[in-house]
Amino acid sequence: GENVEQHPSTLSVQEGDSAVIKCTYSDSASNYFPWYKQELGKGPQLIIDIRSNVGEKKDQRIAVTLNKTAKHFSLHITETQPEDSAVYFCAASTTSGTYKYIFGTGTRLKVLA
Amino acid sequence: GAVVSQHPSRVICKSGTSVKIECRSLDFQATTMFWYRQFPKKSLMLMATSNEGSKATYEQGVEKDKFLINHASLTLSTLTVTSAHPEDSSFYICSARVRIGANNLPLHFGNGTRLTVT
Repeated sequence: GENVEQHPSTLSVQEGDSAVIKCTYSDSASNYFPWYKQELGKGPQLIIDIRSNVGEKKDQRIAVTLNKTAKHFSLHITETQPEDSAVYFCAASTTSGTYKYIFGTGTRLKVLA
Repeated sequence: GAVVSQHPSRVICKSGTSVKIECRSLDFQATTMFWYRQFPKKSLMLMATSNEGSKATYEQGVEKDKFLINHASLTLSTLTVTSAHPEDSSFYICSARVRIGANNLPLHFGNGTRLTVT
């Protein structure tokens, strides 16, 4: 089955700096990769996603890149703000079978003011 | 759009009792709902997949008789933790997805239910 690894587990950056979180997946059949932000005591919220037919996607300060050959995808947050502090999860899914998501282990991002 | 409402947000129950958690899709019809469990500072662990009108599919190691799932309509799925024990204390999160054709549309999550069994 699919396995998703996520690094780093914790990340501290100064406000205004960039943050990068990386994930690798094992199942070459995976073709959909969402990123979620989870604040304390709340459910995860989708912040950006990418499909396997695209190499990069950007939404304001957030971007995601995908390397299908290497089975890597990354989240990039630029000009970080204190409100970006949260736990971020990557996930991998397929468009066949049960469509279930396999989540990474999470990255606790702390943006220092 | 795509709001998923989960209730209750917190529940405390005594050991041996049962607890029901509701998950509703407020503005879309969810053909599939997923139930996750999350331990402190850990990732989301899929418990089961719930399809409207059919039996839930449980992940390996999840006791179907303990975690009863009912997806009776396109907007409501329930998770009942039966005969709860302290080790069942956790954060339970539901998610819902509507699929159109072959599109794998994103999951939308509820805000979770923190269950504490005393």
